[in-house]
Amino acid sequence: GQNIDQPTEMTATEGAIVQINCTYQTSGFNGLFWYQQHAGEAPTFLSYNVLDGLEEKGRFSSFLSRSKGYSYLLLKELQMKDSASYLCAVYSGTYKYIFGTGTRLKVLA
Amino acid sequence: GAGVSQSPSNKVTEKGKDVELRCDPISGHTALYWYRQSLGQGLEFLIYFQGNSAPDKSGLPSDRFSAERTGGSVSTLTIQRTQQEDSAVYLCASSLTGGGNQPQHFGDGTRLSIL
Repeated sequence: GQNIDQPTEMTATEGAIVQINCTYQTSGFNGLFWYQQHAGEAPTFLSYNVLDGLEEKGRFSSFLSRSKGYSYLLLKELQMKDSASYLCAVYSGTYKYIFGTGTRLKVLA
Repeated sequence: GAGVSQSPSNKVTEKGKDVELRCDPISGHTALYWYRQSLGQGLEFLIYFQGNSAPDKSGLPSDRFSAERTGGSVSTLTIQRTQQEDSAVYLCASSLTGGGNQPQHFGDGTRLSIL
């Protein structure tokens, strides 16, 4: 079957660092995406990993381990505007993307 | 426009009615996707278009759902004889050529409520 697991909700403090984990079991793997979705808005692309390792992009970094079926999104120097849902999605091939249920992050002052 | 545009943004209708949802992808994007997002659920894949062709319709929940795309651009998702379980946010996304390492660009969605 196809399964992606993420924590439902996380809370962190402004200025802190938070790590959002994603584990996946899919019939195929051709890359993993992270999207940010503010309430009532469209998901927006954050990062893409297809090889093992860390991809850094400003305050956001994403890590992938294909052998473990595991990824995380690391957010540094948290800001209030980072309060949103973070969606993990696997491209399993043949134009099919499988999305997790998302992690709702609350950033507290 | 610069982004993916969906209309209407909200739709409230009675059970049993037909509804039509529209998606205008980013100009030049050949790949177009429809998803359904219910409360507490992940994005559920519905259908994918490459140009005007839909090679993958496997996600459509029932034969009450249909979709078409014309001119390699605008797409419409039609739900016939709506049921209460159809209530959800319907998201459209496009990407340049589809698949692989290309991120999807999403519209703001249509929030559908069936009374």
